Amino acid sequence: NAGVMQNPRHLVRRRGQEARLRCSPMKGHSHVYWYRQLPEEGLKFMVYLQKENIIDESGMPKERFSAEFPKEGPSILRIQQVVRGDSAAYFCASSPRLPGLAGGRDEQFFGPGTRLTVL
Amino acid sequence: EDQVTQSPEALRLQEGESSSLNCSYTVSGLRGLFWYRQDPGKGPEFLFTLYSAGEEKEKERLKATLTKKESFLHITAPKPEDSATYLCASNYGQNFVFGPGTRLSVLP
Repeated sequence: NAGVMQNPRHLVRRRGQEARLRCSPMKGHSHVYWYRQLPEEGLKFMVYLQKENIIDESGMPKERFSAEFPKEGPSILRIQQVVRGDSAAYFCASSPRLPGLAGGRDEQFFGPGTRLTVL
Repeated sequence: EDQVTQSPEALRLQEGESSSLNCSYTVSGLRGLFWYRQDPGKGPEFLFTLYSAGEEKEKERLKATLTKKESFLHITAPKPEDSATYLCASNYGQNFVFGPGTRLSVLP
């Protein structure tokens, strides 16, 4: 049973270009979260998606950032017109169920991350 | 504002020297408390979930405990391979908030 997969693992972009990060959740998981991690800082929540729906995007900048999780294929985090401050590690996590339901098992499972460098 | 803090920021232990890491949270409606291990250049690896005060879980040299305001990750007789950053997180319904982590170094 493959874990969460992310690609590319490393991405280099020049200022003003677009970055597209992909995440394939674990088999059987329909809930995907995206996080950003800056050096020496913790993980910051960006967006939570289910298939074809954005559930919570409160942690995502209003401009230049978008996310989707189509019915078929991986979840995509898209950053338009990248700036140097976007350089970070971006992690995706998946879980099998809606968090907060009775019965526990809210844990998320993380992918290896995509390290974005903006020159 | 819901917050998760961790202490110490960094901890250096000798092999075999037991210690504890702290995770404190200010929450309204805490749903669960999670511990992860993160190695450099990798994604966080799930360790434990705790849901109610008094709950404890163990895995090899690690034991996690939970009170109403904080959680501890106890490391018994650590080995160099336990060196990593340990993250705790809490969820409030659908939202997950991570602490900044404790960088643990275990020296041989």
